[in-house]
Amino acid sequence: KAGVTQTPRYLIKTRGQQVTLSCSPISGHRSVSWYQQTPGQGLQFLFEYFSETQRNKGNFPGRFSGRQFSNSRSEMNVSTLELGDSALYLCASSAGERTGELFFGEGSRLTVL
Amino acid sequence: GENVEQHPSTLSVQEGDSAVIKCTYSDSASNYFPWYKQELGKRPQLIIDIRSNVGEKKDQRIAVTLNKTAKHFSLHITETQPEDSAVYFCAASRGKFGNEKLTFGTGTRLTIIP
Repeated sequence: KAGVTQTPRYLIKTRGQQVTLSCSPISGHRSVSWYQQTPGQGLQFLFEYFSETQRNKGNFPGRFSGRQFSNSRSEMNVSTLELGDSALYLCASSAGERTGELFFGEGSRLTVL
Repeated sequence: GENVEQHPSTLSVQEGDSAVIKCTYSDSASNYFPWYKQELGKRPQLIIDIRSNVGEKKDQRIAVTLNKTAKHFSLHITETQPEDSAVYFCAASRGKFGNEKLTFGTGTRLTIIP
């Protein structure tokens, strides 16, 4: 089974721009979550989608948004980028019904200049 | 909201000795407590988890204990090996399955000294 795939792996943007990150979950997984990882804060929850519906949301500003498509693929968007948005963005998928295990992708490393 | 505190932030242990990492959580409704291991440059991976109806769980050299009254849980690694060197994250969740919204601790960098 293919793992969680995230694209792009690396990207550099400037302040004020916007960015879209993509995540393809493990086949059959309907839950997709996004986390922001920074050296000082660890992993912080952004949002979670299940069957195209946002089921949970973390404490991030409205500049951070996401969506999930009917094939369970998910995208997250960050508008009006700030320097503090530089981080590794991790996507994780889960089978949901029987286990709490999250399967993480390798992440998209965003640098904002 | 939930808050998870993790200690220590760094830990060095002689190979073959035991390592213990401790976490406390604030939300008494949390019912799922996983531990993730992240090796340098790699993705986090689940190593063990425990639900609130269980006090202890063991998997070979790894064990997790949960004290619901005190709202803390711990990871124990015995007979440590060089490949145990990594960053370990504890987490807590209150969802039905546990994967809906995890609150992570800030991580413990474990170094095994050969």
